[in-house]
Amino acid sequence: DTEVTQTPKHLVMGMTNKKSLKCEQHMGHRAMYWYKQKAKKPPELMFVYSYEKLSINESVPSRFSPECPNSSLLNLHLHALQPEDSALYLCASSGGKLFFGSGTQLSVL
Amino acid sequence: KNEVEQSPQNLTAQEGEFITINCSYSVGISALHWLQQHPGGGIVSLFMLSSGKKKHGRLIATINIQEKHSSLHITASHPRDSAVYICAVRDDKIIFGKGTRLHILP
Repeated sequence: DTEVTQTPKHLVMGMTNKKSLKCEQHMGHRAMYWYKQKAKKPPELMFVYSYEKLSINESVPSRFSPECPNSSLLNLHLHALQPEDSALYLCASSGGKLFFGSGTQLSVL
Repeated sequence: KNEVEQSPQNLTAQEGEFITINCSYSVGISALHWLQQHPGGGIVSLFMLSSGKKKHGRLIATINIQEKHSSLHITASHPRDSAVYICAVRDDKIIFGKGTRLHILP
């Protein structure tokens, strides 16, 4: 299994909602990443988990809260988002080569 | 100045042409990745390089560590190669270039 699976593929939420994005990989990778990508821009790093510990937080607002419950799963909890947070959220894992999920297209109304 | 610079930013070519996309970086790295992203799609890893040259089908990637430069070549380009090609370098984190938008005309 060489896939990174992200759910949901699409999400529309209001500014008062709480939702979660999920990411799963079964390649035994110990590094997992969350990226945010706006249209026609490169991905921007948000968080890095290494061996299930948060190793990099790129000054992301606290309305984004990552969680790594085990070595295969990575969640991104969303609360009180702003319309400017609308973007494609990509999860990736790495044991050397990078593997990306297909992303969650998030729209905040 | 960006730590990873790609050129060109946009490239349109005819089917069958030989394509070269360049990437220069200014930081010390442990590896360089070439990635492909189709419109509305996820990102696929094409190559991971730390030295020399790799080939996969019609794609060739080279890296010169001393010059901090890498190139991605596509031979016999095809319209299905139309995508954004992204160079990313890795040290303690991964730094992305801004991408090269490639459009191959039939």
